[in-house]
Amino acid sequence: QSALTQPASVSGSPGQSITISCIGTSSDVGGYNYVSWYQQHPGKAPKLMIYEVSNRPSGVSNRFSGSKSGNTASLTISGLQAEDEADYYCSSYTSGSTRVFGGGTKLTVL
Amino acid sequence: QVQLVESGGGVVQPGRSLRLSCAASGFTFSSYAMHWVRQAPGKGLEWVAVMSNDGSEKYYADSVKGRFTISRDNSKNTLYLQMNSLRAEDTAVYYCGRDFRTLLDYWGQGTLVTVSS
Repeated sequence: QSALTQPASVSGSPGQSITISCIGTSSDVGGYNYVSWYQQHPGKAPKLMIYEVSNRPSGVSNRFSGSKSGNTASLTISGLQAEDEADYYCSSYTSGSTRVFGGGTKLTVL
Repeated sequence: QVQLVESGGGVVQPGRSLRLSCAASGFTFSSYAMHWVRQAPGKGLEWVAVMSNDGSEKYYADSVKGRFTISRDNSKNTLYLQMNSLRAEDTAVYYCGRDFRTLLDYWGQGTLVTVSS
């Protein structure tokens, strides 16, 4: 049950696009289309941003998009805004019917 | 609207036990699997456990297997986490969450568990 691998930090200027990667294995990310992404602001509970690799829940901006290739999932945020500054976590279903999170990525909007 | 409210956190000595509760409302609790996820201070999210909607299936992270037990009472719309043999590394905010497409959609605000002598 090793954590998925995410970059510790990414940054971008307002209006730019950024991509956060999430590297797993064939036993989790690569084996299933059950990858979710969560946004967490300081002191708050996580918020679901993407589910099943690329689906956005109702109410989530279409500036957020997800994709997957092999064992790597990605979250892209376009048109960066100040309020996007937060921690982002990926999560996946695993072959043991457990779940696993990534280590988290701190997004800084410059 | 969906609401999840955790309770039962506090300060506990190493080796002791604690039971967390998660009161659910705004949805048909008995139709959803439920999760526990924790976050140590200043650290990332760690998945802890999941229980199926009818309680027939449960799975745990290796870090808590054999020490923690997830359970639910669908008549009370409540999820539980019994935590035994607590260690300092179990110190965290514990969140309950509703299962959606095998992962979580709604999360509670969390309850802090501090294991310290």
